[in-house]
Amino acid sequence: AQRVTQPEKLLSVFKGAPVELKCNYSYSGSPELFWYVQYSRQRLQLLLRHISRESIKGFTADLNKGETSFHLKKPFAQEEDSAMYYCALTPNTGFQKLVFGTGTRLLVSP
Amino acid sequence: DTGVSQDPRHKITKRGQNVTFRCDPISEHNRLYWYRQTLGQGPEFLTYFQNEAQLEKSRLLSDRFSAERPKGSFSTLEIQRTEQGDSAMYLCASSLGGRVTLHFGNGTRLTVT
Repeated sequence: AQRVTQPEKLLSVFKGAPVELKCNYSYSGSPELFWYVQYSRQRLQLLLRHISRESIKGFTADLNKGETSFHLKKPFAQEEDSAMYYCALTPNTGFQKLVFGTGTRLLVSP
Repeated sequence: DTGVSQDPRHKITKRGQNVTFRCDPISEHNRLYWYRQTLGQGPEFLTYFQNEAQLEKSRLLSDRFSAERPKGSFSTLEIQRTEQGDSAMYLCASSLGGRVTLHFGNGTRLTVT
C-alpha cells in the first residue's frame, strides 16, 4: 500500500531560521514525490516535484530512497512561507493518483 | 481567473438530503479528479475521469456517491441521502495528460447537519 507520513502537524520557527518539513513514504516501487502548498485563503498548488530537481521559493527537497524520505528544506524561512504543506506521492506505473500526507502547518514568526 | 472553478463554495444541508457539486476544469485539460478532505487530513482520492470516461473510483466512494463528466468538460459529484460523515471539503483538480501537475479548485465545503 502507498502511504505518506508527515510526523509534524505544526512547525513553528522564527524568520531567518532554517526549516525542514519531514516526509516519509512507503511504496514498494519507485514513486514520484511532490510537495504541495496551501497559503491562507488560496487553493492547493504544486510547490515542487522531485524529478525537476529545482529550487522553488528557496525550497529544495531531495529524494532519499534508502530512508524513503523526501524532506522539504529552506535555509532561511520568511514570514510569507507560513502555509500548510502537503507531501504527496504517485506511483510510476498504472494510474497516477496522488496520495497525500496529513500535512504540516509551517508558522514563521517575525 | 482561468483556473479550476467549483460551485458552490459552501453547502449546508440536512441529513438525508441530496447535494450536487459542479467542477469546471481548465479548458484544455483532459483529466479531472475529485478528492475529499476532512479536518486534519490531507486530500483523499475519490475518482478520476479521462475525458468523459470515469476510469477509477476509490473504495471511499460509496453507492451514495456518483460522479459524471458527460461531455468531457465540466463534472458533477452527487451525494445522495447525505450523512454527517460526508461533511468535508470536496476538491476538484484537473491536469493535461498523466503524471503532470494537478491544478486544484478552491473546493466546496459541505456541512451536513
